[in-house]
Amino acid sequence: DAKTTQPNSMESNEEEPVHLPCNHSTISGTDYIHWYRQLPSQGPEYVIHGLTSNVNNRMASLAIAEDRKSSTLIPHRATLRDAAVYYCILRGGSNDYKLSFGAGTTVTVRA
Amino acid sequence: NAGVTQTPKFRILKIGQSMTLQCTQDMNHNYMYWYRQDPGMGLKLIYYSVGAGITDKGEVPNGYNVSRSTTEDFPLRLELAAPSQTSVYFCASRPDSWGSPLHFGNGTRLTVT
Repeated sequence: DAKTTQPNSMESNEEEPVHLPCNHSTISGTDYIHWYRQLPSQGPEYVIHGLTSNVNNRMASLAIAEDRKSSTLIPHRATLRDAAVYYCILRGGSNDYKLSFGAGTTVTVRA
Repeated sequence: NAGVTQTPKFRILKIGQSMTLQCTQDMNHNYMYWYRQDPGMGLKLIYYSVGAGITDKGEVPNGYNVSRSTTEDFPLRLELAAPSQTSVYFCASRPDSWGSPLHFGNGTRLTVT
């Protein structure tokens, strides 16, 4: 199964955007890269996904490396207002129904 | 459009009791999932279903059972509750299309004492 690796925690402040890395060196050609965030006491919510090209939506930007072995999520300022856990997972391939999440990256926001 | 609805929100069980966690979705999604999340940890897949009448085990199925008699409902049954099943349980669903996003419910917080 293609797996992802994320740092356990990162800090952000209101002045600078935080860049959340995700390593997926065993990604296959048909895998989508998905990002979700989980606010305290809530279920995860979808943020963004991409296949090969960089993607942008109202919540975040997703930059995908040319070799697709890593990606970086850049939440927009409004999205970053609250501390949350961000999960990076791979979707697609022969295992698209069995979806596993790792521990994600816990982002804390400095005032 | 309610999305994915889980009931109850909270429950306390005594060891050995049984209960059913309810999950229903109104988006006509074939794929549905049950996850558990222990404090400070990620989500672990318990069971999943690819359509009515079809279910399969995830990473941590022991102590749980599921059924899927309709597209909308995917209940999770705990037969003999144990303290190790104290956790937050999330249900999710998604459409069939390749790489489609998951939609999560708000979870059921279960304590077994």
